This record gives sequence, structure tokens and C-alpha cells, in this order.
Amino acid sequence: DIQMTQSPSTLSASVGDRVTITCRASQSFSRWLAWYQQKPGKAPKLLIYKASSLERGVPSRFSGSGSGTEFTLTISSLQPDDFATYYCQQYDSYPYTFGQGTKLEIK
Amino acid sequence: EVQLVESGGGLVKPGGSLRLSCAASGFTFSTYTMNWVRQAPGKGLEWVSSIIGSGTYTYYVDSVKGRFTISRDNAKNSLFLQMNSLRAEDTAVYYCAREVGDTWGQGTVVTVSS
Repeated sequence: DIQMTQSPSTLSASVGDRVTITCRASQSFSRWLAWYQQKPGKAPKLLIYKASSLERGVPSRFSGSGSGTEFTLTISSLQPDDFATYYCQQYDSYPYTFGQGTKLEIK
Repeated sequence: EVQLVESGGGLVKPGGSLRLSCAASGFTFSTYTMNWVRQAPGKGLEWVSSIIGSGTYTYYVDSVKGRFTISRDNAKNSLFLQMNSLRAEDTAVYYCAREVGDTWGQGTVVTVSS
């Protein structure tokens, strides 16, 4: 099974900051990696798929990169609506696995 | 509009059974792999199971193998999760999701407690 480890677990930042969340895999795989945003009491929302493809309707301040065992989600300029929990997920091989999540908090 | 609506959650005693349903609309259901993902209270997301469009192949996380069964009825645009021998650790919000997760339902709450 591919284990996904996200860092940091919690991130404090301010509106306008540039932030990066990292997801590391226990083994290398192709770019079948997704990033989700989740707000309390709501279903996750797809932001990025195939490591770097922006889901339709998602603001361009979100971007993804990486390959192999290291992937990143970058938010170029934090907006108030971006404070949430973010998850990565590999869908290269079953069982699909999620990272443990990164909670993005207002500083 | 693409939409997924789950139902069937509830309170069940340990060892009991529940059948979750997910009604799909707004897309050609039979052409998509469908998934169940759960989230225990205060915890992260956990992929539970997937079924390909034809229903031929199914996949499960180890912790539910032999207890849960995923199925679909493409004629009725519906996805199911039969959950047997339920345990306290199965308590979670259960979401159905399309493919890589471009569409999710609102979730249905399963509570396993005596």
C-alpha cells in the first residue's frame, strides 16, 4: 500500500501569504495525485487532479506540482475563503490512500 | 446538474448491518468508477471502496474486506454499500464520490454503538 504523509499538520498564515503544503509518498508513482479542500461539516472539494491539473472553477491561485514521491499544493495569495483543511490522495493503485490532512488556520 | 445523494445511515448496534445508497443524476452513471469514502468524527478522510463502471471489479480497504460489499445498479443510477458485522470503529460520515472525486454527495452518518 502507498502511504501518504502530509506536512505540516497545521499551518498558520495570513491573508495574502503564499503557502505550500507537501505530500510525500512511501513509494514512487505516476502523477495520479489529487488535492482536496474541506470545510467543517462539508464534503471535500476537488482542487487539483493528476498532480497539477486545476479542476474547473477552482481559482488560479491554487496550483499543484511534483512527481515520484513528493507533491506540493501551493496557494499563491491566501484569501479568507481558503482557511480550511487540505488533503492529498493518491489514486495510482488500490487501496487509494489519503494524507492525514493539513489544517490551514488564520494567524 | 451532476448530483450525488446518499441515504441509509443511522444508529446500529455492534455486529449489526446497514445498507447505504447513493442516487446519482446529471451524468452517464454507468461510465464512471464510483467510490465510498468515510470520515470518522474529528478525523481525516479514508477511502473505503471502489467499483468500476460495469460493476465487474471492486476494491476495498483491508479493514472492511469480508464485511462490506459495494455494488451498483446502472439501470437505476444507484450505488450501494452493504455493511455487515459493523464495529464501533466504522462510525463515520460516509460519502459517495465520482471518479477521482470531482463530485461528492453530502454524506450520510453511520453510528455504531450499543
